[in-house]
Amino acid sequence: DAGVIQSPRHEVTEMGQEVTLRCKPISGHNSLFWYRQTMMRGLELLIYFNNNVPIDDSGMPEDRFSAKMPNASFSTLKIQPSEPRDSAVYFCASSSQGDGEAFFGQGTRLTVV
Amino acid sequence: AQSVTQLDSQVPVFEEAPVELRCNYSSSVSVYLFWYVQYPNQGLQLLLKYLSGSTLVKGINGFEAEFNKSQTSFHLRKPSVHISDTAEYFCAVQNTGGFKTIFGAGTRLFVKA
Repeated sequence: DAGVIQSPRHEVTEMGQEVTLRCKPISGHNSLFWYRQTMMRGLELLIYFNNNVPIDDSGMPEDRFSAKMPNASFSTLKIQPSEPRDSAVYFCASSSQGDGEAFFGQGTRLTVV
Repeated sequence: AQSVTQLDSQVPVFEEAPVELRCNYSSSVSVYLFWYVQYPNQGLQLLLKYLSGSTLVKGINGFEAEFNKSQTSFHLRKPSVHISDTAEYFCAVQNTGGFKTIFGAGTRLFVKA
């Protein structure tokens, strides 16, 4: 398996624009997580899904953030409208039920100017 | 709810010296414990995990960690570090009955020649 695949790797956008980050989890994994990493706040869990259903979105910072998982092999994290303070590295991770090990993608580095 | 405290934000050490990265956690239920490593511009990858059984856990790259239930600690150790071990290390905890993994703030290990 190629691992967790995220796209794009880098995204530069202007304030106010819509941004969509994409994630393909490892085949067979039934849990998917979106994390945000910044120098100031470290690694924050934004939302996670189990069997394509959102379980906990308490980490989503504002209504500008939304996430979907329409099927077991794809998830998106959308920011609309984007703001400079959203600049961060966003990671997607997946895991299978049982031992909790999370497999991370390479991340998307988002810069909002 | 669980929480994780990594007691050192940065640890400088000379090559071939031993190192210990400290981690304490709090939880009212049984947990799984993890250490992940993040190299520059990459996602996190698992170093080792404690699920049950022996409290001394061995991982990749010569790292090991010891689970101490009475002290609620899971410190990471390596007897002799290499330059290539320079990275950020994250301790993480997960409720054995749940999906949510909580990460510590990270410890940046600098290995000097």
